[in-house]
Amino acid sequence: DTAVSQTPKYLVTQMGNDKSIKCEQNLGHDTMYWYKQDSKKFLKIMFSYNNKELIINETVPNRFSPKSPDKAHLNLHINSLELGDSAVYFCASSRGGAYNEKLFFGSGTQLSVL
Amino acid sequence: AQSVTQLDSQVPVFEEAPVELRCNYSSSVSVYLFWYVQYPNQGLQLLLKYLSGSTLVESINGFEAEFNKSQTSFHLRKPSVHISDTAEYFCAVSEAVSTGGFKTIFGAGTRLFVKA
Repeated sequence: DTAVSQTPKYLVTQMGNDKSIKCEQNLGHDTMYWYKQDSKKFLKIMFSYNNKELIINETVPNRFSPKSPDKAHLNLHINSLELGDSAVYFCASSRGGAYNEKLFFGSGTQLSVL
Repeated sequence: AQSVTQLDSQVPVFEEAPVELRCNYSSSVSVYLFWYVQYPNQGLQLLLKYLSGSTLVESINGFEAEFNKSQTSFHLRKPSVHISDTAEYFCAVSEAVSTGGFKTIFGAGTRLFVKA
């Protein structure tokens, strides 16, 4: 069983569209994250939820809206897609809270905005 | 906020040669350091971590890193690399956030390319 799974793996869409990426973890972790990896491989944290509560919200355009229906799921919705949104988006999870432990990453969603 | 600098964007090396990937962090009272590896078309995986205790930490596949507080460094080394070690390597630091939990900040990555 995949520990952190995200769908879709590839997403090709036109500018201006709205799209969602879904993420699920079966590790029983309390904390989930979204990271963006640009074409130069630079990884930047976007959001983090702990037990469905938003705890990290970096400087991200408000076209990006995360939603956590339960602690095993963290979805990312993007409105009015722009060319600059093209990147690989990674979902990750960790035990969270007082535990400073490793992140478990999904395999990524490659978003291409045309 | 803490930051991480990886000094080399690419490191080409011949198979069975030693390698060192350099990482420096911004100084802080409490430092938690990690190395992650990313193989093509995959997510990142933890290679090793330093939270406290012994300054030399090792991974199961022969990599090691040494926490050096005076030089604010956490360089990754392997005495003899294999073709299969070709990947992107990320140094990372985590810091506590006021809302609870920790935030992991990554360096820009170093591409290790092992040649036959």
